[in-house]
Amino acid sequence: GAVVSQHPSRVICKSGTSVKIECRSLDFQATTMFWYRQFPKKSLMLMATSNEGSKATYEQGVEKDKFLINHASLTLSTLTVTSAHPEDSSFYICSAPRWRSGSENEQFFGPGTRLTVL
Amino acid sequence: GENVEQHPSTLSVQEGDSAVIKCTYSDSASNYFPWYKQELGKRPQLIIDIRSNVGEKKDQRIAVTLNKTAKHFSLHITETQPEDSAVYFCAASSAASSASKIIFGSGTRLSIRP
Repeated sequence: GAVVSQHPSRVICKSGTSVKIECRSLDFQATTMFWYRQFPKKSLMLMATSNEGSKATYEQGVEKDKFLINHASLTLSTLTVTSAHPEDSSFYICSAPRWRSGSENEQFFGPGTRLTVL
Repeated sequence: GENVEQHPSTLSVQEGDSAVIKCTYSDSASNYFPWYKQELGKRPQLIIDIRSNVGEKKDQRIAVTLNKTAKHFSLHITETQPEDSAVYFCAASSAASSASKIIFGSGTRLSIRP
């Protein structure tokens, strides 16, 4: 299957700092990637759709100025949590769909990034 | 937008028995329904999926059924084993294009009692 990587896998930062998370599709091109956030014992909540070469589309209630998304190439999307606060501590997961003929739309998930804000 | 509801939130079954998880969705345009298994601290793993042009799909001990009219779909695990213990998520998506986002249900924590 296709491979999606994320970096870093874990990050601890101080309140007020910014953290960048990278999501890469390693063996396929992804014009679209998705960013999810998952709090402990909760579901994956879609934050935004990252579009290569254009602005990201944010879900309702997600602050675009706080969660900056850049999708500068067909294999890389980055999520920057700006001025992070303890309530931003969460598991951030990206996914990339691989489009194949026959209308298949399987999503490939990254391994996730555990963010802890002190 | 799409809303996916899932129940039960927790499920405990005796090893060897069957487990059933049910979901409903709201958007009639949704036509792709994947199920994911997630272990603690790991990424979700696709275990089975179904598209709206079929009513049932089976893969060994796992089966999924879909009722488009009622907007219900269910996961059935037979002959459960300890390694089936995990959190399971249903999801829905419109597979009209590669840009289709997937909306997850709230999850079911499945525990298999030895």
